[in-house]
Amino acid sequence: DIQMTQSPSSVSASVGDRVTITCRASQDIGSWLAWYQQKPGKAPKLLIYAASTLQRGVPSRFSGSESGTDFTLTISSLQPEDFATYYCLQTNSFPYTFGQGTKLETK
Amino acid sequence: EVHLLESGGGLVQPGGSLRLSCAASGFTFSFSSYAMSWVRQAPGQGLEWVSIISGSDVTKHYAASVEGRFIISRDNSKNMLYLQMSSLRAEDTAVYYCAKFSSDYSSGWFNSWGQGTQVTVSS
Repeated sequence: DIQMTQSPSSVSASVGDRVTITCRASQDIGSWLAWYQQKPGKAPKLLIYAASTLQRGVPSRFSGSESGTDFTLTISSLQPEDFATYYCLQTNSFPYTFGQGTKLETK
Repeated sequence: EVHLLESGGGLVQPGGSLRLSCAASGFTFSFSSYAMSWVRQAPGQGLEWVSIISGSDVTKHYAASVEGRFIISRDNSKNMLYLQMSSLRAEDTAVYYCAKFSSDYSSGWFNSWGQGTQVTVSS
């Protein structure tokens, strides 16, 4: 199985800050990586797919990048509505696997 | 707009069975054009992929944790997705989400999600 190691597990930040979250795949997954945002009691929401493609309707302050088996989600300028938990997901091969999640909290 | 509505969750004893349903609507193309999946989330935990079924109902995959106990199925004539769960264990306690895949089978993403249904396995 492909392991997705996501870091950090939590991060404290303020409105306007730039935040970066990373996922490392245990083996090559190509660009088969997506990022999701989840708020308490709600379903996940797709932000980025194919490692760097912004889902329609998602603000441009969100961006994704890749370097080998390392994938990064960047929020360029945090907004109040961005405080949530973020997950990466690989769909290169079965079983599909999520990262452990990163909780973004207000400082 | 895609709408996915799960139902069938509840409280069940260890070793028991439960059948989850997911009613789908608002797809751009026919329901059968898209693979569908179940993803679960245990209390206070992260997301765990459970199972996926191709749009044509030909191919299915399961997580090792549910293989042999859960069966995914779909009725394309009714735009419905199902998850038959048996031999339930306490560790199956979770919110179960129905999720739409972006393509018929592999090579895609979960781009729409239902609101989830709670399954609690306890005596």
